[in-house]
Amino acid sequence: EIQLQESGPGLVKPSQSLSLTCSVTGYTITSGYDWSWIRKFPGNKMEWMGYINCSDSTNYNPSLKSRISITRDTSKNQFFLQLNSVTTEDTATYYCASYGYGGYYWGQGVMVTVSS
Amino acid sequence: DIQMTQSPSSISVSLGDRFTITCRASQDIGNYLSWYQQKPEKSPKLMIYRATNLEDGVPSRFSGSRSGSDYSLTINSLESEDTGIYFCLQHKQYPRTFGGGTKLELK
Repeated sequence: EIQLQESGPGLVKPSQSLSLTCSVTGYTITSGYDWSWIRKFPGNKMEWMGYINCSDSTNYNPSLKSRISITRDTSKNQFFLQLNSVTTEDTATYYCASYGYGGYYWGQGVMVTVSS
Repeated sequence: DIQMTQSPSSISVSLGDRFTITCRASQDIGNYLSWYQQKPEKSPKLMIYRATNLEDGVPSRFSGSRSGSDYSLTINSLESEDTGIYFCLQHKQYPRTFGGGTKLELK
């Protein structure tokens, strides 16, 4: 069974960078699937942010393209999110998720607040 | 981007009732749609994939269907554990896009 677990700071100051880690167990991230970041804003709106796939290719939401980077460390079976120049509008719960044949499987999520 | 219009946004339903949520896609998405249930403080759980396929372990009272650009999730004979927020997700195109969510409560 694939399990995903997010980690990272819960509070980030405006204009700084948000950095999160997703640790994957039960599956090797180079074996297949797309590995995504998704966020849920207060009020329940969801936004798909981007992915890195098993071949190390990335695809980002155009709404974030200039601020987002998704990378990975295959030795640790982890992938990462970096979001630059954050504002209070980036306050959300951030999820990492795997995409296979027909749907997404999600981590527990980490709440990140952007505030000075 | 593909717009997913989900209705209703919230509803109160009685135990044992039948209930349907619908997502309408602004473009053809084939059957590349999945449904999720989310409970408070929990991560979303895949319920239906590829529009009509029940995920392993999901009770058979849940079902998915499609009529044209309308995709529906139906719960037959609602149980108390079915409360939560339900949302759809299209995975035909990037960027992936979501329905606005439906909050299901018990009367």
